[in-house]
Amino acid sequence: SQTIHQWPATLVQPVGSPLSLECTVEGTSNPNLYWYRQAAGRGLQLLFYSVGIGQISSEVPQNLSASRPQDRQFILSSKKLLLSDSGFYLCAWSDRGRTEAFFGQGTRLTVV
Amino acid sequence: QKEVEQNSGPLSVPEGAIASLNCTYSDRVSQSFFWYRQYSGKSPELIMSIYSNGDKEDGRFTAQLNKASQYVSLLIRDSQPSDSATYLCEARVGGTSYGKLTFGQGTILTVHP
Repeated sequence: SQTIHQWPATLVQPVGSPLSLECTVEGTSNPNLYWYRQAAGRGLQLLFYSVGIGQISSEVPQNLSASRPQDRQFILSSKKLLLSDSGFYLCAWSDRGRTEAFFGQGTRLTVV
Repeated sequence: QKEVEQNSGPLSVPEGAIASLNCTYSDRVSQSFFWYRQYSGKSPELIMSIYSNGDKEDGRFTAQLNKASQYVSLLIRDSQPSDSATYLCEARVGGTSYGKLTFGQGTILTVHP
C-alpha cells in the first residue's frame, strides 16, 4: 500500500533562518507531488506541484522554493524565513488517474 | 472568479439534522470530484468521490453531481458532533500529465448537541 511521510510535525524557526521540509512517498511510482500551505481557518493554498523529477510548477511567487531530486521525494525550502511564512504545510500525492489525493501529516511551522 | 467555490459557512446544524455542503467549479472539463474532511490540526482525508452525474451514497453521506450546472454537493444525514470539521471540495481535470489539484476554500461545519 502507498504511504506518505512528511516531517517534522512541528517546527519553530527564527525570522531569517533557512527552511527544509521533506516529503517522501512509498508504494507508488511517478506520483504527482504537491506542497500546500494552510492558514488558520482557511483553505489550502497550492504552493508547488510536480509531475516528474526536476519538474516544478510554482503557483505563488514568494521566498519559498521546491525541488524533486528523486521520483518520490519532494522538498520545500527557503533561504530566509519571514513571519508570514508561518502556517500549516501539507505535502500530498496523487496518481494521474481518478483516485483521491493523499496527504502527509502536515508540518506546523511557526516563525518567531 | 475562483476555480472552485464552496458555501462560505461556517455552517452550524443540530445533532441529527441534515448538513448540506455545496461546491461550484468553473472548469467545464473537470471530470473527478472529491470531498475531504479535515479535523482541526490534522490533514484532509477522503470522504466521497464522484465521477458521474447523479447521486452517490455511502452510509450517512451522499454526494451529488450536476455537470451541466457545474455543481457538486455533499449531504450528511443524521449529523453527529464527530462530523464537526472543515470540508474541502476538489474538482479535478483528468489526463495523463495534468497535475494541478484545485480545492475550494473549505466550509467549517459545527454539529451541536
